[in-house]
Amino acid sequence: AQSVTQLGSHVSVSEGALVLLRCNYSSSVPPYLFWYVQYPNQGLQLLLKYTSAATLVKGINGFEAEFKKSETSFHLTKPSAHMRDAAEYFCALERGSQGNLIFGKGTKLSVKP
Amino acid sequence: GAGVSQTPSNKVTEKGKYVELRCDPISGHTALYWYRQSLGQGPEFLIYFQGTGAADDSGLPNDRFFAVRPEGSVSTLKIQRTERGDSAVYLCASSPLGPTDTQYFGPGTRLTVL
Repeated sequence: AQSVTQLGSHVSVSEGALVLLRCNYSSSVPPYLFWYVQYPNQGLQLLLKYTSAATLVKGINGFEAEFKKSETSFHLTKPSAHMRDAAEYFCALERGSQGNLIFGKGTKLSVKP
Repeated sequence: GAGVSQTPSNKVTEKGKYVELRCDPISGHTALYWYRQSLGQGPEFLIYFQGTGAADDSGLPNDRFFAVRPEGSVSTLKIQRTERGDSAVYLCASSPLGPTDTQYFGPGTRLTVL
């Protein structure tokens, strides 16, 4: 069965520090992987997606993620956190041929001044 | 252009009542998805439409839940005999064609069953 695990329900960093949000997946077929961000009272917004091309994927707002098949991981990083990055982040895996997404439980990112 | 819209933004109902939640996808998108997000959880898939037909309804929790998309655009999620456990945020997403396309999400409808 396919699944997504996000390690750490809450991550806190200082402004300007590295952001690292962890995501591990389980899939019997080559996966399509996504990171979404959810700001308070807003819908989910796509940050980036991996679709089997380059393993290092660059997204919006300075975020990037690296697909590592050997580690079954797709961790999200940003070199320098901004206050506006405070939000909840969801890693997701596309299931099968229908396109519906399997989401992790989310990681809430707090940024301290 | 206009994004995915959902109405109402909030719905409070009593246990046992019937509710309808509406989703207006991005114009021209053929694929439409419904998800449910409970407190502290990630969204969970409910149903996927390709055009007017439900291509995958395997996520609907039971027969109290039903969804339609009669003209291939607007979709309505219908919940009969609501239960307190149905309280959640119901999210709608659309994509241009379907699998592998980016899904664009609406802001959701927060359903509270008293």
